[in-house]
Amino acid sequence: NAGVTQTPKFQVLKTGQSMTLQCAQDMNHEYMSWYRQDPGMGLRLIHYSVGAGITDQGEVPNGYNVSRSTTEDFPLRLLSAAPSQTSVYFCASRPLLGLDQPQHFGDGTRLSIL
Amino acid sequence: KQEVTQIPAALSVPEGENLVLNCSFTDSAIYNLQWFRQDPGKGLTSLLLIQSSQREQTSGRLNASLDKSSGRSTLYIAASQPGDSATYLCAVYQGAQKLVFGQGTRLTINP
Repeated sequence: NAGVTQTPKFQVLKTGQSMTLQCAQDMNHEYMSWYRQDPGMGLRLIHYSVGAGITDQGEVPNGYNVSRSTTEDFPLRLLSAAPSQTSVYFCASRPLLGLDQPQHFGDGTRLSIL
Repeated sequence: KQEVTQIPAALSVPEGENLVLNCSFTDSAIYNLQWFRQDPGKGLTSLLLIQSSQREQTSGRLNASLDKSSGRSTLYIAASQPGDSATYLCAVYQGAQKLVFGQGTRLTINP
């Protein structure tokens, strides 16, 4: 029972590099989302998806791309990393119709941009 | 815009005490509210989910209440233990799925 799995756990990038943060869930949840957590700012929603082929922007989408080709996977792409994107990134999932079900979070990816 | 505030930002109490963590939100039109625990360098662990039609939820030594009309929720921890030391996050559901988080209360239980 893996739940929500994020890889990698840690990553250091140089400014301008690109990378993809991976998120996979094995609970057949339709809803998946990405948050970033910064000191003094709390967690903020970057992008979310209500199912395969459907994505939308959250509160802080600039500099990030997402796609959802399968129910299980929801990768987050940084096209040209900037120091302001240094943060801890969390992926979450939940059944779309399960209003009595909690959101499940992964363990996070700690990203540093030099 | 929904804003979630958690007071206090940090709390230190001796082991065995009962304690209350507070969460307030500005827009009472929420679906649900969820309390999480976060250990240093770790992810978020769900503690309790309160649906908008409910007033409280209990799990073991934890009890969470919700008063939508006043925009408040509390998390009550009974007989605190050193293992309860962590940051506690409150999040409201803006719509059926999107979470708006408070900045958390960092709790330390002293043996």
